[in-house]
Amino acid sequence: DIQMTQSPSSLSASVGDRVTITCQASQDISNYLNWYQQKPGKAPKLLIYDASNLETGVPSRFSGSGSGTDFTFTISSLQPEDIATYYCQQYDNLPPFFGPGTKVDIK
Amino acid sequence: EVQLVESGGGLVQPGGSLRLSCAASGFTFSSYAMHWVRQAPGKGLEYVSAISSNGGSTYYANSVKGRFTISRDNSKNTLYLQMGSLRAEDMAVYYCARGMNYDILTGFDYWGQGTLVTVSS
Repeated sequence: DIQMTQSPSSLSASVGDRVTITCQASQDISNYLNWYQQKPGKAPKLLIYDASNLETGVPSRFSGSGSGTDFTFTISSLQPEDIATYYCQQYDNLPPFFGPGTKVDIK
Repeated sequence: EVQLVESGGGLVQPGGSLRLSCAASGFTFSSYAMHWVRQAPGKGLEYVSAISSNGGSTYYANSVKGRFTISRDNSKNTLYLQMGSLRAEDMAVYYCARGMNYDILTGFDYWGQGTLVTVSS
């Protein structure tokens, strides 16, 4: 099984700050990686697919990059509505494991 | 508009059974793989099971293999998860999610609101 790690596990930042989350796969997954946002009490929502493609309707302050084993998710200017937990997920091999999540708060 | 609505959750005793349903609308259900993902209280997302668009391929996480069965009825636009021999560690919110194409190895582009399964005596 391909294991996914994320760092940090949590972070606090100010409104307007640039926020970066990293995700690492235990083996090469090419670009088969998604990023999801989950707000408290809500279902996850797809933000980024194939590592760097912005899902339709998602604000452009969200972006993703990387390939192989190392990936980055960025919020260019943190907004209050971005308070959530963010998960990466690989779908190069079954099972399509999720990372453990990164909780983002406002400082 | 794509909609996925789960139902069937509730309180069940350890060792008991439960069947979850996920009613889909707003898209051609028979063209997409479907998945179940769960989330224990305060925990992260755990992949559970998948079924291809025509039902010909299925996949189960090791944690549920032999106890859960995924199925679908494309004539009713409905996904199912039959859960048996339930354990305390199966307690979670269960989400159905749409795969991004017909194959089971994809990410998920739409999620339901989830249904809570509580396992307790």
